[in-house]
Formats: sequence, structure tokens, C-alpha cells
Amino acid sequence: DPKIIQKPKYLVAVTGSEKILICEQYLGHNAMYWYRQSAKKPLEFMFSYSYQKLMDNQTASSRFQPQSSKKNHLDLQITALKPDDSATYFCASSHLTGAEQFFGPGTRLTVL
Amino acid sequence: GDSVTQTEGPVTVSESESLIINCTYSATSIAYPNLFWYVRYPGEGLQLLLKVITAGQKGSSRGFEATYNKETTSFHLQKASVQESDSAVYYCALDNYAQGLTFGLGTRVSVFP
Repeated sequence: DPKIIQKPKYLVAVTGSEKILICEQYLGHNAMYWYRQSAKKPLEFMFSYSYQKLMDNQTASSRFQPQSSKKNHLDLQITALKPDDSATYFCASSHLTGAEQFFGPGTRLTVL
Repeated sequence: GDSVTQTEGPVTVSESESLIINCTYSATSIAYPNLFWYVRYPGEGLQLLLKVITAGQKGSSRGFEATYNKETTSFHLQKASVQESDSAVYYCALDNYAQGLTFGLGTRVSVFP
């Protein structure tokens, strides 16, 4: 059974629209993260949450907003989408911040 | 900021041959970061292959080895005899005790029978 679920697997959006990427983890972890991988670029850390509180934000744009409704959920809302936002977005979790991180399968977002 | 540089792929190797993927790092915020190799097999998610948190130590898993060399700031991944099932994308990463990992670009390895 998958321990970290990301939905949807693929997502196509038009420029200017808003989308929410879903992440749920069933590992009992207390820390969750978002990463992004654009074409020809390395995985890039975006956010970290611990016990549902924002710990670190490495994303300059306020268009990206994590949302944690439950301890094992960390969704990512992206507003005013741009073609440059096209990437695969990975959710990860760990027991505590600084511990080994486990990654979800990713959501591939394409913005037209 | 921190950075990780690794062998540019794709790398093609025949089964039973040796493989080495180079990784060098630069950690500006901490002298001795934790170092990792992650792997993504076709159709699967990113998973941890091995980690080393102490300089000078060697980590190993699934026949792969990597030694944390603080003098050369390197963490090369090696395997003496690869199998077709080792075909994957390999990522070197560091953790500077902050919240997120810093990854290299990834190296795609294809093993042919």
C-alpha cells in the first residue's frame, strides 16, 4: 500500500488558473515537505512543516501556499499559474525535521 | 547557498561491469552536512539508497557503496558489478540540518544485458 499519496498524478492547467495539489502520508510522520523538479533542474526544496506549522519557506512567490488541514496532510495551492510553474511536485515526510525523508510519487503539472 | 554536482547522464553500462557516479558538494552553512544517495527506479517514487552522516564513514546498500570524503567534499557512488535491475536515476543530496534537502541534477543509468 502506498504510504504517501499524491493526487492527481497528472494535472493540466491554463495560465492564470488556480490548482491544489494533494498530499497525504500514512507513515505517522510529524514533518512534511514540498519539492519541485522542473525540466533540466534538480529537485528544489520549497516548504517544510512540522506539527502543522510552517518551518521553512524557500519559495519566493506568494502564489504558492501550503495548507495543512490535518497532521498527515500538506496540500499545495498554486494561484495565478504560469507556464514556468510546469514541473513535477513532490511531497515528502519524515518522523521529525532533519530525519530521513520519504517521498511521494509526484504530481506532474503542465501549465499551458 | 549549498550545491551538489554529480556525473551528467545518461550513463550506459553493460551488466556485470562496474559503475561509478561522481558527486561533489558545497555546503556553505555547515561544515559536515549529512549526505545521501536517492534512487528512482522506472515507474517508482524516489527512495533512499544510502546515507552517511559522519565524515570518513562509508555507507552501503544493495551492493552500492559511497564514502564521505570531507577533504575532497565528495560522496561518489560505486558498484562493482551492476545488474539490469540497477537501471534508474540516481540523486546525490545533502542535508545541512535545515529543513530541506539539496539535490544534484540526477544521473540516469541504463544497464544493458
